[in-house]
Amino acid sequence: QKEVEQNSGPLSVPEGAIASLNCTYSDRGSQSFFWYRQYSGKSPELIMSIYSNGDKEDGRFTAQLNKASQYVSLLIRDSQPSDSATYLCAVGRSGGYNKLIFGAGTRLAVHP
Amino acid sequence: SQTIHQWPATLVQPVGSPLSLECTVEGTSNPNLYWYRQAAGRGLQLLFYSVGIGQISSEVPQNLSASRPQDRQFILSSKKLLLSDSGFYLCVSTLPPDTQYFGPGTRLTVL
Repeated sequence: QKEVEQNSGPLSVPEGAIASLNCTYSDRGSQSFFWYRQYSGKSPELIMSIYSNGDKEDGRFTAQLNKASQYVSLLIRDSQPSDSATYLCAVGRSGGYNKLIFGAGTRLAVHP
Repeated sequence: SQTIHQWPATLVQPVGSPLSLECTVEGTSNPNLYWYRQAAGRGLQLLFYSVGIGQISSEVPQNLSASRPQDRQFILSSKKLLLSDSGFYLCVSTLPPDTQYFGPGTRLTVL
């Protein structure tokens, strides 16, 4: 079992729709959870971080965490073509040093 | 805020050749530093991390090595490259609790 799993996609949504990206993780001791956006050939950029159960909203983005189900998701409202990218989920291991375990990413395509 | 520099930006090397990738950090001191590799179509794989000068922890046994000769310098090396070493290498710096800075990456192609 992979430590952090994501559907590779591509996830195709029309412009203006809600894109829902999902991630599951295996380490129950995980403390921190991150969503990154990565354009082709570029470094990842942090979109959201979440540490406690529930929802966290930032503009058009909402991260949702359910530690009991070991599940974290990212919702993108009013999707734009510029949101087309690969979205990486990363989980911070218990034990410090900020080590992150990344999923393989979900490719999102927003079509006009 | 921090700035992470990596060089070279791109590199094409033959199998069996040596490798040296460099990462330097500006704007902070005593960061935790990480080398990640991203193979084509894959997620980021943690290779090494360092919490201080001369302190290196390896996450994945392989033909790569890392060194931290100075507080803000992190080097990834290999004596003999393999085809499987091809990928996008990222240097990451973190500050407690979870602030992260990513370098621009080095695209390595081993032929």
